[in-house]
Amino acid sequence: DAGVTQSPTHLIKTRGQQVTLRCSPKSGHDTVSWYQQALGQGPQFIFQYYEEEERQRGNFPDRFSGHQFPNYSSELNVNALLLGDSALYLCASSPLAGGSTDTQYFGPGTRLTVL
Amino acid sequence: GENVEQHPSTLSVQEGDSAVIKCTYSDSASNYFPWYKQELGKGPQLIIDIRSNVGEKKDQRIAVTLNKTAKHFSLHITETQPEDSAVYFCAASISGTGRRALTFGSGTRLQVQP
Repeated sequence: DAGVTQSPTHLIKTRGQQVTLRCSPKSGHDTVSWYQQALGQGPQFIFQYYEEEERQRGNFPDRFSGHQFPNYSSELNVNALLLGDSALYLCASSPLAGGSTDTQYFGPGTRLTVL
Repeated sequence: GENVEQHPSTLSVQEGDSAVIKCTYSDSASNYFPWYKQELGKGPQLIIDIRSNVGEKKDQRIAVTLNKTAKHFSLHITETQPEDSAVYFCAASISGTGRRALTFGSGTRLQVQP
């Protein structure tokens, strides 16, 4: 049973560029959440998608946007990159219905470096 | 919004000793409290969780306790082993569809000395 997968593993961009990160949820999960983890800190919630819509959003500017596809996979897009966007971006999946709907399973993350 | 504070930030123990990590939360509506272990270069891995209708939960060498009145919860690891060395995060959320954003603590770096 495949867990949460993310691509790419690492990414280097320059200020002002745009980036797209991808996530495939765990089998049987239909809800995807994205988190940003700066070095030495805990993950911070960016937003959550289910039924192909953004359902909840954290305190992030609208430079951060996302999308969920019919197969439940998701993308995170960041426009006009800033140096402060350098972080590990984590995707987590969970089931919308059924048991343990609160449990979120994380992928390995995408390490984004902005130069 | 929710705020989760975690301490200590670093913890060093001898192999076989116990380790305790404590967290407090601010939003009394929070009712789901997971703990994650994160090893270098990896994503957080869920190790145990507890819901507000339970005061304590155990899984082998790991236990979590919850005091809703005081709004704090703790992770207890007994008989620590070198492979327990990692960064541990507590988190809190409000259970229920559409409101499951996790708010994390700042993490505790646990080092188990052989």
